[in-house]
Amino acid sequence: DSGVTQTPKHLITATGQRVTLRCSPRSGDLSVYWYQQSLDQGLQFLIQYYNGEERAKGNILERFSAQQFPDLHSELNLSSLELGDSALYFCASSETGAGYEQYFGPGTRLTVT
Amino acid sequence: AQKITQTQPGMFVQEKEAVTLDCTYDTSDPSYGLFWYKQPSSGEMIFLIYQGSYDQQNATEGRYSLNFQKARKSANLVISASQLGDSAMYFCAMRGLFSSDGLTFGKGTHLIIQP
Repeated sequence: DSGVTQTPKHLITATGQRVTLRCSPRSGDLSVYWYQQSLDQGLQFLIQYYNGEERAKGNILERFSAQQFPDLHSELNLSSLELGDSALYFCASSETGAGYEQYFGPGTRLTVT
Repeated sequence: AQKITQTQPGMFVQEKEAVTLDCTYDTSDPSYGLFWYKQPSSGEMIFLIYQGSYDQQNATEGRYSLNFQKARKSANLVISASQLGDSAMYFCAMRGLFSSDGLTFGKGTHLIIQP
């Protein structure tokens, strides 16, 4: 158990809908990263937050957004969902913004039908 | 920009044998970190080992060691005395040490340990 929690574990929704994925980092970790793992694209970095502020953006679509709250949990919002958004979404946390080790949560498997 | 290449899509190995999983990388960052993660069929990503570009010695963690050859830009993972529970996907990853970006991952190697 990495100490990072993600909810829900599984999510099935229809095209065009909006969903929110939630992540709680390990105790003491200030930085949260979001990743997408799909068959087509592999594992891709989406976005990083550090202590409530956006730090870096990767291959995140404009339909996707994220935020980190004062209690350090983070949410990833996916809107206008398409079939191609079906993937495993991971959250990872590290102690600092330039963390050497990132500890991954169990992931949320999103299926868009 | 960073790139990770894992050239072995799949590997079959006999139990108790040593395994080497290949990883080569490319980066313009002068200081960087290299990571290996294990992803069993259950889906979670398990951190295995880390090597900093400035480290003089190869990293080791139990049965895992990282064969770091900086001049060749390679960071191979060695698993000694393989076990059935080692069957999983293995991902090599990297990031710049002073970068806020996330990890850049390779496509992974599917390792199957046979009894």
